[in-house]
Amino acid sequence: QVQLVESGGGLVKPGGSLRLSCAASGFTFSDYYMSWVRQAPGKGLEWVSYISSSSDYTNYADSVKGRFTISRDNAKTSLYLQMNSLRAEDTAVYYCARAKSGTRCIDYWGQGTLVTVSS
Amino acid sequence: DIQMTQSPSSVSASVGDRVTITCRASQGINSWLAWYQQKPGKAPKLLIYAASSLQSGVPSRFSGSGSGTDFTLAISSLQPEDFATYYCQQANSFPLTFGGGTKVEIK
Repeated sequence: QVQLVESGGGLVKPGGSLRLSCAASGFTFSDYYMSWVRQAPGKGLEWVSYISSSSDYTNYADSVKGRFTISRDNAKTSLYLQMNSLRAEDTAVYYCARAKSGTRCIDYWGQGTLVTVSS
Repeated sequence: DIQMTQSPSSVSASVGDRVTITCRASQGINSWLAWYQQKPGKAPKLLIYAASSLQSGVPSRFSGSGSGTDFTLAISSLQPEDFATYYCQQANSFPLTFGGGTKVEIK
């Protein structure tokens, strides 16, 4: 079955960096577009970034553009999110997510990893 | 950016009730709309995609309708496991955006 397992979250100081990873299994990873979505504590869902199956297309929310970089390694069936210049407002649970084929909606989500930005 | 407005923000209902949630897009999105269910401490779950297509494994009491700017999620007969927060998401264009959520609570 489809599994998405995030790792790399934790406590980081403002201005710091963190790299999230997502290990995918149970499907042909290289066939699917992938996304990161986040959810601040007690708040709603916010889309963060999107990457095509072959990494030739990426897109970012304005709130993270220039600070975050999405990437993937199809050989390792892994998705990544490099987060630099972190701010308090980046504090959230970050979900790795698979885009449903032919759409930009999400049919599978990981369990999430918490990123806390605080001094 | 396309803004997604959900209403109501919360609804109290009883088991067996019919519940409807609406989602309005700030501009037309054709049928590129998805609905998700989220329970506390859990990841969201896809219920409906392309406005009215039921995701595999989702009970048929869930249905979606609408196109353009106005959409509806209906739960025909609320079950105990349906008490959760529901989100709409436009999948028409970047940035992808979600509605603010509707919490379905037990009356």
